[in-house]
Amino acid sequence: NAGVTQTPKFRVLKTGQSMTLLCAQDMNHEYMYWYRQDPGMGLRLIHYSVGEGTTAKGEVPDGYNVSRLKKQNFLLGLESAAPSQTSVYFCASRVPGANVLTFGAGSRLTVL
Amino acid sequence: GENVEQHPSTLSVQEGDSAVIKCTYSDSASNYFPWYKQELGKRPQLIIDIRSNVGEKKDQRIAVTLNKTAKHFSLHITETQPEDSAVYFCAASMGSGAGSYQLTFGKGTKLSVIP
Repeated sequence: NAGVTQTPKFRVLKTGQSMTLLCAQDMNHEYMYWYRQDPGMGLRLIHYSVGEGTTAKGEVPDGYNVSRLKKQNFLLGLESAAPSQTSVYFCASRVPGANVLTFGAGSRLTVL
Repeated sequence: GENVEQHPSTLSVQEGDSAVIKCTYSDSASNYFPWYKQELGKRPQLIIDIRSNVGEKKDQRIAVTLNKTAKHFSLHITETQPEDSAVYFCAASMGSGAGSYQLTFGKGTKLSVIP
C-alpha cells in the first residue's frame, strides 16, 4: 500500500516546454487534488476531481490542465511552462465524507 | 469562496514554552477545521482537526479551539520540543455542496523551537 505517489519528484523545464505530472493512489479514494506550494503563499488548489472522468477548477487553474481517466490516477499538465509555474506541486486524495487529505511527497518543478 | 487568514507567519519559542497560532475564516458555512504540520522537505500531515459542533479538542500536547461566532480557531502547543519545529497550516472546509469538496488553507506559520 504505497498511498499517494507522485512522479517525477524533480524536473527542470525551459519556458514554453510542456510536461505532465502524474499522481497515483492505491487507496480507492474518490476525490483527488492538485495543489501548488510557494513560499509565503501556503497551499493553493489548482484543480480537483470528485470521481473518474470529472474535473473542476480550483483557486489557481490558469496555465494547467488535468485529466482523471482512471480512478487511481490524476494527471496535471502544463502545455507551455512559464517561470511563474516554478513551484512545489502536491497531489492529495481523500474519500467522500472523510475530510482527511493524504498527500503525496511533492514534485519540485523549476521553469527557466 | 472561503478565505482563511493565519497569524503569525513566523513564531519562535523557547523549548518548553507554549505556542499559539491563530486563524480566521470568512464563510460561516464552513464547519471543518484541520491543522496540518509540514516538516522541512516533507509532505503536509494532519495533526488535529475540529468540527463546528465542538468548541475544543485536545490530543496530548496539542489542542484546537473554535469560536464560531467570531469565525476564528487556534492551535495550541504546550511544552514545545525541538521536533515541533515545522510549518503549520490551518484550513477550512464546508460540510455540504460544492464547497465541501475543497479545503482552503491559510498561508502557514513557521514555528521554530529553540533548545
